[in-house]
Amino acid sequence: VQLVESGGGLVQPGGSLRLSCTASGFTFSNYAMGWVRQAPGMGLDWVSTTTSGGSRTYYADSVNGRFTISKDNFRSTLYLEMERLRAEDTAMYYCVKLDNDYGGGAFDYWGQGTLVTVSS
Amino acid sequence: IHLTQSPSSLSASVGDTVTITCRASQNIYRYLNWYQQKPGKAPNLLIYGTSTLHSGVPPRFSGSRSGTDFTLTISSLQREDFATYYCQHSFTSPLSFGGGTKVEIK
Repeated sequence: VQLVESGGGLVQPGGSLRLSCTASGFTFSNYAMGWVRQAPGMGLDWVSTTTSGGSRTYYADSVNGRFTISKDNFRSTLYLEMERLRAEDTAMYYCVKLDNDYGGGAFDYWGQGTLVTVSS
Repeated sequence: IHLTQSPSSLSASVGDTVTITCRASQNIYRYLNWYQQKPGKAPNLLIYGTSTLHSGVPPRFSGSRSGTDFTLTISSLQREDFATYYCQHSFTSPLSFGGGTKVEIK
């Protein structure tokens, strides 16, 4: 299993960014996927998950209405569209594979992360 | 659902047995997972469903449950076990993590 994130970088407050996660080594369409973030020096913070088919999505209250998760099963790619970014969104963003198709299980594989910095 | 991990940090020696506790704010049945994170690295799944070891995890790691209290035990601590450990519930959305426990070398 390999998960490779991209799309992080420096963005001004109020700006937008799209993260991507390219997956390989497993049947992407069979598994739920998600994003977990970690602010510098802090703990882990669940952001969002989506079911295997991408039809159901779940968000933390802190990002609901600003972030959108989506899953392209033909391209084996997971996305996180982030809008109206705030300083408190600054973090390493990890792409995670779940151990089931419905979005409620353990995160059994993690990417290496992509850093998002929100600053003027 | 809020998860309270204790202690937040501990010091131990190679060969010691270490116990980390995670208390859930409500009944989450067996929907509790444990992760290990080393500095500068992504976390790795250790245990899922309270007590099932993820593939490749050595048997010195074990997990248990008593009501809403969950325990991660590391028997005969090895040098590569010094890291930060997190619990996470998967009972229902929103998912959440405990605050973490840093295991340091004494």
